[in-house]
Amino acid sequence: QSALTQPPSASGSPGQSVTISCTGSSSDVGGYDYVSWYQHHPGKAPKLMIYEVSKRPSGVPARFSGSKSGNTASLTVSGLQAEDEAEYYCSSYAGSNTLFGGGTKLTVL
Amino acid sequence: EVQLVQSGAEVKKPGESLKISCKGSGYNFNNYWIGWVRQMPGKGLEWMAIIYPGDSETRYSPSFQGQVSISADKSISTAYLQWSSLKASDTAIYYCARHLVPAVIGNYYYHYMDVWGKGTTVTVSS
Repeated sequence: QSALTQPPSASGSPGQSVTISCTGSSSDVGGYDYVSWYQHHPGKAPKLMIYEVSKRPSGVPARFSGSKSGNTASLTVSGLQAEDEAEYYCSSYAGSNTLFGGGTKLTVL
Repeated sequence: EVQLVQSGAEVKKPGESLKISCKGSGYNFNNYWIGWVRQMPGKGLEWMAIIYPGDSETRYSPSFQGQVSISADKSISTAYLQWSSLKASDTAIYYCARHLVPAVIGNYYYHYMDVWGKGTTVTVSS
């Protein structure tokens, strides 16, 4: 099973919206509503932002939203803020395995 | 506050053994799956394995089965990841994470990670 495909980078100005994609296959992203997203600031513990495609854990701002269409899941960050600058990873159930994407570095310009 | 505190950085030689740890606090350690995720230098995340401390049931990624061993000591709320013979390719940051398991699909568990540790850097070099 291959890793999920994410763009290596994304950027936006404060207040703008940015969407990060995560492409898999019908055996993982497309087959189940079991996609999660994690935010990682260097040197810190990764943080769960979205689970089961679009659910937000308590404490995660509503600016973060998730969706899925076919084999591609997406994370949208609305109203970008400086503290959103981080690496973002998607993850999907894939039967005997749990796959991650390669990560997307989000830069707030 | 739920926390996972990982052991410190390690520098080892190829062929040596190693056991790194992850101590949970702020929740009932016995009742949640806990596992490990690898990040090799400059690469993305890779899910490795999980264990349920209550009964020591384990699940491994096919990529890591036989390469590492996961264990837990529920008396001290600590999970471990162990290597019997390290290779240079084991150089990576290893994160422990509490796993929630909302569904079982056939023989497989759907899980995601709701709390993470800060990582343990393992360097294997001669």
